[in-house]
Amino acid sequence: DAKTTQPNSMESNEEEPVHLPCNHSTISGTDYIHWYRQLPSQGPEYVIHGLTSNVNNRMASLAIAEDRKSSTLILHRATLRDAAVYYCILRTWGATNKLIFGTGTLLAVQP
Amino acid sequence: GAVVSQHPSWVICKSGTSVKIECRSLDFQATTMFWYRQFPKQSLMLMATSNEGSKATYEQGVEKDKFLINHASLTLSTLTVTSAHPEDSSFYICSAIGGVDEKLFFGSGTQLSVL
Repeated sequence: DAKTTQPNSMESNEEEPVHLPCNHSTISGTDYIHWYRQLPSQGPEYVIHGLTSNVNNRMASLAIAEDRKSSTLILHRATLRDAAVYYCILRTWGATNKLIFGTGTLLAVQP
Repeated sequence: GAVVSQHPSWVICKSGTSVKIECRSLDFQATTMFWYRQFPKQSLMLMATSNEGSKATYEQGVEKDKFLINHASLTLSTLTVTSAHPEDSSFYICSAIGGVDEKLFFGSGTQLSVL
């Protein structure tokens, strides 16, 4: 699996938008960009995924660069419950290949 | 949405005993499941890939005789930590591929403490 690079930590204030960046310069054409988050003492939770176009769901938005070498997870209004470690992962569609986690970004949300 | 149930949530055992952790896909069939372990303040480390009806594929450095994986049905995979020692204390997480878009769903994890 191609490697991703994320900042170790970020801070945000409650009710403000948060932009979590991810670099994946070695992404291949068949790699989907997945985001998961993990709250303390819990298993990771799916957030969003995309291939080329920007994606929106009830949890977040995913903005993908035109060259696909980077992406940004956008939380439109951070809440205290969004404090977690966010992982950006590349995965090939249709394959049962393993999912390799990087170090992720620890998001702290201040009230 | 798809749910993966992992049991138990936490377990404390004596050194030298074996511990079994179960991972079930509740509303979908999972031919492939993954087992991860996670130490405090670290990322998830893939231990093995569990395939229904066949032997698991272990990552480099993971002892297959130490961490026994059985995937006997399309909805159940088990991880047995044999002869557990304090260094095996960790957070163990399973996951399964499911749904029409083949997302990866994770169990809630098992905190193992070996005394």
